[in-house]
Amino acid sequence: GQQVMQIPQYQHVQEGEDFTTYCNSSTTLSNIQWYKQRPGGHPVFLIQLVKSGEVKKQKRLTFQFGEAKKNSSLHITATQTTDVGTYFCGPDSGYALNFGKGTSLLVTP
Amino acid sequence: EAGVVQSPRYKIIEKKQPVAFWCNPISGHNTLYWYLQNLGQGPELLIRYENEEAVDDSQLPKDRFSAERLKGVDSTLKIQPAELGDSAVYLCASSFGKNIQYFGAGTRLSVL
Repeated sequence: GQQVMQIPQYQHVQEGEDFTTYCNSSTTLSNIQWYKQRPGGHPVFLIQLVKSGEVKKQKRLTFQFGEAKKNSSLHITATQTTDVGTYFCGPDSGYALNFGKGTSLLVTP
Repeated sequence: EAGVVQSPRYKIIEKKQPVAFWCNPISGHNTLYWYLQNLGQGPELLIRYENEEAVDDSQLPKDRFSAERLKGVDSTLKIQPAELGDSAVYLCASSFGKNIQYFGAGTRLSVL
């Protein structure tokens, strides 16, 4: 499977600021998944997006799947220190996509 | 419901020694994955099983790594002999078909 490009690789924000990470693929995906890994922990599933243009929300987290199903984003509104961790996109259910390198988020109070 | 169980949590060995990791997936999950995760990197797939069949082992270094899932449930990943560069976290995950992957806590391997 191919690996997606995730940007940024690192992000440091003040608590209360917003945060966005982007996941870009050169090929069309069947779907995409997002995972969060806390420092010292293991990846935990957050959400799966399937439909073109799909938008899903989980409290302060908003996930989007691009119209062409080649990119996705995760937006966190008003970050909290509990949001600290690395956010990964991938893989898709066709196993065509490996995990990206992730975006590491640091939130300072 | 119990999650994916991995053991040991930590392992320290000297180079050239063998080491084995064990994974018990979530009950009913027919797909099992072994990943390697280096510090600051995403999980890299080593091998994927569907039931007892290894359907994707293209990234498994077969000269020193081996894996088995004899009855389509538990799985073991072995390294023999271990090298310094094998120090990493080895993650096991399981899923029901091509669905959400649930990860175990991982085994942190240190090769000295």
